[in-house]
Amino acid sequence: EPEVTQTPSHQVTQMGQEVILRCVPISNHLYFYWYRQILGQKVEFLVSFYNNEISEKSEIFDDQFSVERPDGSNFTLKIRSTKLEDSAMYFCASSRALGGETQYFGPGTRLLVL
Amino acid sequence: GENVEQHPSTLSVQEGDSAVIKCTYSDSASNYFPWYKQELGKRPQLIIDIRSNVGEKKDQRIAVTLNKTAKHFSLHITETQPEDSAVYFCAATLTGGGNKLTFGTGTQLKVEL
Repeated sequence: EPEVTQTPSHQVTQMGQEVILRCVPISNHLYFYWYRQILGQKVEFLVSFYNNEISEKSEIFDDQFSVERPDGSNFTLKIRSTKLEDSAMYFCASSRALGGETQYFGPGTRLLVL
Repeated sequence: GENVEQHPSTLSVQEGDSAVIKCTYSDSASNYFPWYKQELGKRPQLIIDIRSNVGEKKDQRIAVTLNKTAKHFSLHITETQPEDSAVYFCAATLTGGGNKLTFGTGTQLKVEL
């Protein structure tokens, strides 16, 4: 069964550095998402992406964040200048279509900002 | 925006007993309600979902009920097993836009032998 994959599994960075988190959504899916989960807390929506543009974003997704689909398979989340509070697990998800289609989550990238 | 409340935050049951987790949502327009199971350090995995045109859905030991009037939905697990131990998240969304899932705060379910 196809799965969403993410790299790296863990990332440690210094405050102020840029990080790029990578995701490969399920191949026939058209909708892509990023969520984050601070340790011990609930999963929070960051952004959804369809047809090469952002469909919706949350208040968390400020100017420090950007997303890109640089080729036909990858979907990336860039944090331009990381802050301590960006430390979290970042999950990528994808779904085949709108209309209540299941969002399938990747294994996550654990980001630690020091 | 949508807000999802989830109760209880922790639930401990004996193996073989039933477990019920309840969620309420605020946006009456929400029309899709998935439940995810998350084991420690792992990805959230969908276990069951329900759409707003249905009042109940069952899949083996797992069932979900939806009351649109009261804006609440519940997860029912029967004949619990130790492998059911995990954190369970409910979520809600209005499909057709950004598909943003708003999650509840999670329920830590522990099934004791």
